[in-house]
Amino acid sequence: DTEVTQTPKHLVMGMTNKKSLKCEQHMGHRAMYWYKQKAKKPPELMFVYSYEKLSINESVPSRFSPECPNSSLLNLHLHALQPEDSALYLCASSPKGQGAYNSPLHFGNGTRLTVT
Amino acid sequence: AQKVTQAQTEISVVEKEDVTLDCVYETRDTTYYLFWYKQPPSGELVFLIRRNSFDEQNEISGRYSWNFQKSTSSFNFTITASQVVDSAVYFCALSEGYGNNRLAFGKGNQVVVIP
Repeated sequence: DTEVTQTPKHLVMGMTNKKSLKCEQHMGHRAMYWYKQKAKKPPELMFVYSYEKLSINESVPSRFSPECPNSSLLNLHLHALQPEDSALYLCASSPKGQGAYNSPLHFGNGTRLTVT
Repeated sequence: AQKVTQAQTEISVVEKEDVTLDCVYETRDTTYYLFWYKQPPSGELVFLIRRNSFDEQNEISGRYSWNFQKSTSSFNFTITASQVVDSAVYFCALSEGYGNNRLAFGKGNQVVVIP
């Protein structure tokens, strides 16, 4: 079982809906990530949080809004999405600090999002 | 420009055969890290191996082995005596610089192991 837990596993939403994806880890990692993965493509980085602060935003449209309420939780709020936003959304975490540089990422199972 | 190239798209092998996945990378940094991740149909990416640019020692870990050659900018990965559970997409990834966790992924290799 993965140590990064994502909910829900599947989500179908209309273009006018508001929904949230949740991610949780209890490994003490202080870096958390959101990736988007389209079918048969590699993951694409969306956001990085470092010590609960947003450190990287890869020019993601504002209809995606990340939130890191504490060191264990990461949310992705969705509003007014388009059908082309349908994808697998992966959360990941990694340790920070000296000795943890370039550590492997720990990924969750992802949320399969379908926008109708 | 693509930083990580995995030229093979889908590779089919019969169970117990060996399979080698090629990865060629491009970077100007002298410090960098290379990774292989496995993505089974369930979706999560599973970390397999990591190598830094200062360590070209090749190793074997169980049925996995890798061949890192800086002279050719290659980081190839071999599964020995493949099993059906090895069927997955395998991604090679590059992290440039020290302390940078931003990964550049290759396009992935779909490995199909036929029983």
